[in-house]
Amino acid sequence: DAKTTQPNSMESNEEEPVHLPCNHSTISGTDYIHWYRQLPSQGPEYVIHGLTSNVNNRMASLAIAEDRKSSTLILHRATLRDAAVYYCILRMIYNQGGKLIFGQGTELSVKP
Amino acid sequence: NAGVTQTPKFQVLKTGQSMTLQCAQDMNHEYMSWYRQDPGMGLRLIHYSVGAGITDQGEVPNGYNVSRSTTEDFPLRLLSAAPSQTSVYFCASSLRALSNQPQHFGDGTRLSIL
Repeated sequence: DAKTTQPNSMESNEEEPVHLPCNHSTISGTDYIHWYRQLPSQGPEYVIHGLTSNVNNRMASLAIAEDRKSSTLILHRATLRDAAVYYCILRMIYNQGGKLIFGQGTELSVKP
Repeated sequence: NAGVTQTPKFQVLKTGQSMTLQCAQDMNHEYMSWYRQDPGMGLRLIHYSVGAGITDQGEVPNGYNVSRSTTEDFPLRLLSAAPSQTSVYFCASSLRALSNQPQHFGDGTRLSIL
């Protein structure tokens, strides 16, 4: 499975937008880009995923570079509840057993 | 709407004891899996199942057994607990074992082996 690179930590102010970057230069044409987050003392929570086009849902937006070697998770207005570790994960279309390979993720802190 | 339910939430064992971590989902999901998370690390896959009667090993299967007799349940068994198995264990499920489907996680079981 291709690897992803994320910053270890980021800070944001409450009610401001947050852009969480992810580099995946070895991505293949059949890899989906998934984002999960993990709040303190909880299990991971699905956020969003995409293949080639930008995606929006009620939680966030996913912007995918044209060459697909990087992507950005966008939280439009950060709240204190968005403080979590955010994981960018690539999943092959014919992924063995549907597994998720978690890296270190980005720890997002949100200041009031 | 329960989702993925894990029991117990906390457990302390002595080295050599055995126990079973329970995982149940009420979403009729075919795919279920177990991960462990050690301090400061991401999750690592232990075992997974793509349907009732079918299981396979993940990244770190040693010391653990699984079975899938029903669609709803996917228990994880520690055969002879070791301190290295002290961790937080998460169960996850998705409708199918496909890479374009989100996975739903339980709240975890925090296990300490003395």
